[in-house]
Formats: sequence, C-alpha cells, structure tokens
Amino acid sequence: ETGVTQTPRHLVMGMTNKKSLKCEQHLGHNAMYWYKQSAKKPLELMFVYNFKEQTENNSVPSRFSPECPNSSHLFLHLHTLQPEDSALYLCASSQEVKAGGPGEQFFGPGTRLTVL
Amino acid sequence: QQPVQSPQAVILREGEDAVINCSSSKALYSVHWYRQKHGEAPVFLMILLKGGEQKGHEKISASFNEKKQQSSLYLTASQLSYSGTYFCGTARGGADGLTFGKGTHLIIQP
Repeated sequence: ETGVTQTPRHLVMGMTNKKSLKCEQHLGHNAMYWYKQSAKKPLELMFVYNFKEQTENNSVPSRFSPECPNSSHLFLHLHTLQPEDSALYLCASSQEVKAGGPGEQFFGPGTRLTVL
Repeated sequence: QQPVQSPQAVILREGEDAVINCSSSKALYSVHWYRQKHGEAPVFLMILLKGGEQKGHEKISASFNEKKQQSSLYLTASQLSYSGTYFCGTARGGADGLTFGKGTHLIIQP
C-alpha cells in the first residue's frame, strides 16, 4: 500500500465510449502524474500536475483529457479511444519543490485498460 | 530523450552480484531507480542527484557520474526477492516528471 489509490483496477471499453480513471493520494504531496505502460514500450509520462497546475503534456492525443481539481485527486477522462491505447495506466504522486526536480514517486496499482 | 539501460536482461544465481547501467545523452539533474514486480506498481529504490554521489540501501547501491551522465545500480549478494524489472528514470530539473528507460529484467534463481 503506497498511499496512492486508483479506480477502477480494470476497464474494458469500446471505441465510442467515454470513461474516466480516478486517482487519489493520501500522502499530502503537491505533484501528481499519469504514466502509460504498454507491453512493448517503457513507462511513458503523459501529464504532470504540479501545485495543481498542468506543467507538462507529453504530446498526448486529445482523446486523453486530464483533470486535477485539487492536490489529492487526479482524473483521466477518456473518449473515442483506439485499440492501441490498451495499456496499464499508472498514477503517481510526489512532493516537489518548483526548481528542484521530481522527488520520490509513489505509484498507484494502475488501471488495466482494454479498448475493443 | 529516453535513457538507455543495459543489459536488457540478467539471470543470476542467488548470492551473485549484478550491475545495471543507465545512460543519457542529455545533462541530468537527477536519476531515479525503481523496481517493478510482475503485476505490481513500480517501487522506489533511490534518487541520485547531480554531484556524483553514491547511495546505498542494504545490499543495493547506486552511483551517478555527472560528467558522463551515467548511473549504475549495484545489487550485491542477490536474493530471490530482487527479481523484477528495474527502471531508471531521469529528470532534467524543473517541475517535470521522469523519463524512463526500457527496463532491465532481473531473474534470480535459487
């Protein structure tokens, strides 16, 4: 148990569906991240929220839309996904200082997404 | 720019040592090391900041050569529990996330 929870743990959706992934951290951290992990690629950074502001969008397609309403919650809204978007989506949090780079990252268990 | 990890895979007997390398073509602020077991989330091992420091955690230690932008993870007297995939993640400073290497698969056999 890392203090970062993700729901749902598994999700199967069609290409026309709209769904959302939820992440919550109970560690008092001020930065949250979405990563994508697929079978043939390394962990890929998708989005960074630092002090509730989105500071990085790593060339992610617009069919992925993040939302960070406060420093404890992070969402990833999904719509019109493609089968190649099937992957494990990991949320992480850390305590950052603005000029100091990312600190130790605590990962949630992930959501295993399958797009049919 | 994704860091390059080597080797891609290692098979060891329990008690043997291993070294995993991570190199970048860009100047780095820090290097992170994580271990991920099958079906689980990555777990933090250690951070090395620029300055060439070396850190240790029980029988796992690491170094960061700032001049070469290289980091190495040392696992001594490996235990069965060390099996998993090891990732290095690099940061160039600022309020960014990490860029991860492709991982090194470590298998420890009894």
